[in-house]
Amino acid sequence: GAVVSQHPSRVICKSGTSVKIECRSLDFQATTMFWYRQFPKQSLMLMATSNEGSKATYEQGVEKDKFLINHASLTLSTLTVTSAHPEDSSFYICSARSSGGEEQFFGPGTRLTVL
Amino acid sequence: EDQVTQSPEALRLQEGESSSLNCSYTVSGLRGLFWYRQDPGKGPEFLFTLYSAGEEKEKERLKATLTKKESFLHITAPKPEDSATYLCAVQSVGAQKLVFGQGTRLTINP
Repeated sequence: GAVVSQHPSRVICKSGTSVKIECRSLDFQATTMFWYRQFPKQSLMLMATSNEGSKATYEQGVEKDKFLINHASLTLSTLTVTSAHPEDSSFYICSARSSGGEEQFFGPGTRLTVL
Repeated sequence: EDQVTQSPEALRLQEGESSSLNCSYTVSGLRGLFWYRQDPGKGPEFLFTLYSAGEEKEKERLKATLTKKESFLHITAPKPEDSATYLCAVQSVGAQKLVFGQGTRLTINP
C-alpha cells in the first residue's frame, strides 16, 4: 500500500517551454501533497504544500507564478514549470499524505533537464 | 525554527560491521520523527515514524530509537544492499510539512 507515482520520470525540454509533472496516489486518497526539489548530493527542499481543492502554499523564495501547482482531486497533483530555463534543471519529487495518516509517501521523482 | 542535524555526513562500513546514525533535532513540539531511505535517482522510501521519547521500532537490520533531543538509526550486521542515503525529518505540532536533515550517505563494502 501507499504507492505514489510520478510521470514522466525524465523530461528534456528547450529553454522557454513549459513542462507538466503529474503526481498520483495510487491506493489511497491524498488530502495533502507536497512538492520538493533536490540538487545533487543535497537534501530535499520543500517547494510547496497543496491541499485538495485549495491553493498551494509556497515556501519562501519559490516563485508561485513559475511553479504552478494544481491539486484538483484526492489522487492527483500537478506541477507545471513555466518558461523553463537551464537553472530549473533538477530532480523534482512529490509526496502525499492521507487525511488520517502522519507519514508522507514519496514518488520516484522526475529528472528535468532544460537545454 | 525547527532544525535537524544528521551525523556523520558519510559512513563507510564493512559488511557485518554494526553502527549507528544520529539525528539531532530541535522543535517547538514534536508531532513525529521520520526516517527515510533514499537510493540514487529515486524518491525517499519510508522506514519509520517515532512519536515519543523512549519509543523504538525495528525493521529487518534497522532499529530506530528516540529521545527528547535525538534519534538513532542502528544498523546491525549490514549488507551491501543497505547502502543508501538515510534521511531524518521532523514534523512539529500544528505543521503540515517535514523538516529534513542533510542525510547520511551509508556505504557497506562487501
